[in-house]
Amino acid sequence: NAGVTQTPKFRILKIGQSMTLQCTQDMNHNYMYWYRQDPGMGLKLIYYSVGAGITDKGEVPNGYNVSRSTTEDFPLRLELAAPSQTSVYFCASSYSGGMRETQYFGPGTRLLVL
Amino acid sequence: RKEVEQDPGPFNVPEGATVAFNCTYSNSASQSFFWYRQDCRKEPKLLMSVYSSGNEDGRFTAQLNRASQYISLLIRDSKLSDSATYLCAVGGAAGNKLTFGGGTRVLVKP
Repeated sequence: NAGVTQTPKFRILKIGQSMTLQCTQDMNHNYMYWYRQDPGMGLKLIYYSVGAGITDKGEVPNGYNVSRSTTEDFPLRLELAAPSQTSVYFCASSYSGGMRETQYFGPGTRLLVL
Repeated sequence: RKEVEQDPGPFNVPEGATVAFNCTYSNSASQSFFWYRQDCRKEPKLLMSVYSSGNEDGRFTAQLNRASQYISLLIRDSKLSDSATYLCAVGGAAGNKLTFGGGTRVLVKP
């Protein structure tokens, strides 16, 4: 199993551009998450999904959109990129949302908005 | 006050020594607690869950103090490879929404 994969690894965007961060998991996990991590900070939840077709906002959803058309894929869309969106983005998945469920993280996408 | 707080460190630890650090949380209704390890420029990986009675995994011991609302991680016989940032994560009854602390950096030196 590849686990959770993310593309691209690194991207530079100009202000106002848009892009999609890709996330795929091959563990047949129902729950998927998008986090952002700013330097020296913890992870903040952007959006999550409990299954195909179901998504919900996390702590910091503004400026982002998601979709979940399949169990495997959970892309994150940035519209009108702003410097405040410069961050490292991690996708994660878990089998369920149970109290003891482990979240498995992808390797991250580093985004720089100039 | 932040929901989950950690001392950012760094904790400089001689190889072979013991180091311990805490993570405080503000939501008394929190039900799930975890320690993740994050190496520089890498993704977080689960180190251990924290159970009410405390739990141990090799050289790592995690404790939960509900009265004072903190969890702790103790590392015994520190190895150079233990150098990393340790993130605590706190969740509600459903583990799908985790709140992470900012991490505690540990540097183990020869």
